[in-house]
Amino acid sequence: QVQLVQSGAEVKKPGASVKVSCKASGYTLTNYNINWVRQAPGQGLEWMGWISGYDGERKDVQKFQGRVTMTTDTSTGTTYMELRNLRSDDTAVYYCARSSLSMWFDFWGQGTLVTVSS
Amino acid sequence: DIQMTQSPSSLSASVGDRVSITCRSGQSISSYLNWYQQKPGTAPKLLIYAASNLQSGVSSRFSGSGSGTEFTLTISSVQPEDFAVYYCQQSYSTPLTFGGGTKVEI
Repeated sequence: QVQLVQSGAEVKKPGASVKVSCKASGYTLTNYNINWVRQAPGQGLEWMGWISGYDGERKDVQKFQGRVTMTTDTSTGTTYMELRNLRSDDTAVYYCARSSLSMWFDFWGQGTLVTVSS
Repeated sequence: DIQMTQSPSSLSASVGDRVSITCRSGQSISSYLNWYQQKPGTAPKLLIYAASNLQSGVSSRFSGSGSGTEFTLTISSVQPEDFAVYYCQQSYSTPLTFGGGTKVEI
């Protein structure tokens, strides 16, 4: 069965970096993209970008450009999202989610809470 | 960026009620509209994709309609497990964007 398993919660100080992992299994990884979606406490959903499982092509939202890097370790099927220069408003649950080229999210990871606090 | 606006932001319903949620896009997105359900402390779950297609395993009491700029999610007979927050999402162009959510409560 399709599974996306994310790494555990993190607490970081402002200005630090965080790297969240998402291990995929149960499907052909090259046929799908991995997306990152975040949700601040009590707020809605915000798409951050995606990385292609086929060729590693990346697309991220302009507001995160320069601060976010998405990578994939094809040997383990694990995708990483690193967010740098953290601010308090980066406090959120970060989800990875699978999509095809049709760009709807049919499977999601369990979420990783990242707390940014001094 | 394509803005997605949901209405209402919350609604009260009783078990067995028919419930409809509207999602409007800032420009035409054809049928590139998807619906998700999110319960507290859990990841969103895909209900409807491409405006009107029921995701595998999702109850047939959920249905979606619309095209262009106006879309509707309908729950034909609300059940206790349907009380949650519902989000629409456009997949017409990047950046992908979500509506603000509609909370369905008792």
